[in-house]
Amino acid sequence: EAGVTQSPTHLIKTRGQQVTLRCSPISGHTSVYWYQQALGLGLQFLLWYDEGEERNRGNFPPRFSGRQFPNYSSELNVNALELEDSALYLCASSFMWGDSGETQYFGPGTRLLVL
Amino acid sequence: SQQGEEDPQALSIQEGENATMNCSYKTSINNLQWYRQNSGRGLVHLILIRSNEREKHSGRLRVTLDTSKKSSSLLITASRAADTASYFCATASRYSGGGADGLTFGKGTHLIIQP
Repeated sequence: EAGVTQSPTHLIKTRGQQVTLRCSPISGHTSVYWYQQALGLGLQFLLWYDEGEERNRGNFPPRFSGRQFPNYSSELNVNALELEDSALYLCASSFMWGDSGETQYFGPGTRLLVL
Repeated sequence: SQQGEEDPQALSIQEGENATMNCSYKTSINNLQWYRQNSGRGLVHLILIRSNEREKHSGRLRVTLDTSKKSSSLLITASRAADTASYFCATASRYSGGGADGLTFGKGTHLIIQP
C-alpha cells in the first residue's frame, strides 16, 4: 500500500512569490494535516482538512491556506513568501473517525527555501 | 506553540545499550504519540499510548505515560546503529467533532548510536 506522497521534494523561491505544495493521502484516509518544520522552531501544526473542509488551523497568518479535493488530496498555498517560510513542510493523513483516526502517517516532506 | 519538551536534547550511546528519552507536556491530552525522523525526512510513527494507559510495548520499544505528572518516556532496548535519528513526542487532543486534531510536537531528542 502506498504511503503519503508529497510533491515537489525541493523548491527554491524568492521573497514575495507564491508557492503551492501538494499531498496525496494514504488510500482510505479522509483527513490531511499540514505541518511546518522550521529550523529552531520545531514542528508546528498548520492546517487540518477533512471531507473537503478546513477543520482547524494553527497559529499561522492567512497567507497560509489550502484546500482538499474530492479525492482527498490536498494543496498548501503560501502567498507573499518571507525568508522565515524556509522550512520542511510535512503532510500527514489519517482516518477521521474511530480509534485508528488518531495515528497520523507522514509523507517525506517538501523542503522550501526562500531567498 | 510547543507543548512537549523532550529530555535530553541529545543522547549518544553505544550500540547494544538502552536509550531512554523523556517528554513532558502541559495540557490535558487524549493520547501521546512517539515519532522518529531520520535526517530531516518524513516522520515515522512508532507508538501511540492513550491517556487511560500507563505502559505500552512494541518490539524493542517501551512507552510509559504518567498523566498526573504530564510526562512520558520512550525506552529503546538493545539499540542498533539504525536507531540513530531524532525522536519526537506529540500530543493530541480530541476534536470536538470526534476525530483527531493537529498534533503538538516537542522539539525532539537527537539519538546517536555509536557502533
